[in-house]
Amino acid sequence: GQQLNQSPQSMFIQEGEDVSMNCTSSSIFNTWLWYKQDPGEGPVLLIALYKAGELTSNGRLTAQFGITRKDSFLNISASIPSDVGIYFCAGSSRAAGNKLTFGGGTRVLVKP
Amino acid sequence: GAVVSQHPSWVICKSGTSVKIECRSLDFQATTMFWYRQFPKQSLMLMATSNEGSKATYEQGVEKDKFLINHASLTLSTLTVTSAHPEDSSFYICSARDPVIGGANTGELFFGEGSRLTVL
Repeated sequence: GQQLNQSPQSMFIQEGEDVSMNCTSSSIFNTWLWYKQDPGEGPVLLIALYKAGELTSNGRLTAQFGITRKDSFLNISASIPSDVGIYFCAGSSRAAGNKLTFGGGTRVLVKP
Repeated sequence: GAVVSQHPSWVICKSGTSVKIECRSLDFQATTMFWYRQFPKQSLMLMATSNEGSKATYEQGVEKDKFLINHASLTLSTLTVTSAHPEDSSFYICSARDPVIGGANTGELFFGEGSRLTVL
């Protein structure tokens, strides 16, 4: 089946720093999505990408759909404390019935 | 975005009992809803696809007699964990696609708040 490798698994941020995470896939996706999940809650959609090469921003968040359609990255600029949480990439393909496959998640923590 | 709501948000039950979790799309109609399970510090794993008016389709390794799914209307899907055991304790999350926002051919999903099940 489809597999998504998300990295890094965790990272520490200091307020004001830029944050970057990415996902790579073993197969082609038609849609890439980035979600954020806070403890005890469901994932919240941050950005949706539909075309290879597409670069989309949502406030301080920027995500890109890789040209090969097998990868995507998410950048967070000028991080703030509320950026702490778990970020998941997810991809879907028409060939797989548009089911979402999730990456393993990137846990963003605040530097002590 | 579209709103998906789950109930209850948490439930504790005794081993051997059955528990029902509801998933509602509040401002749109969803012919298809998806049920995920998430263990602590892990990613979301798709359990089954709930289809309005027809049988659910289950992912490999998910017991359909253990996790009963009913999608009786365009705004409600239910997941019943039958004869629950401690290993069924998990965070169960439903999701749905809004055909107006996301379109039928995209993968964009909106998620409920999740339901935490603890089986004693």
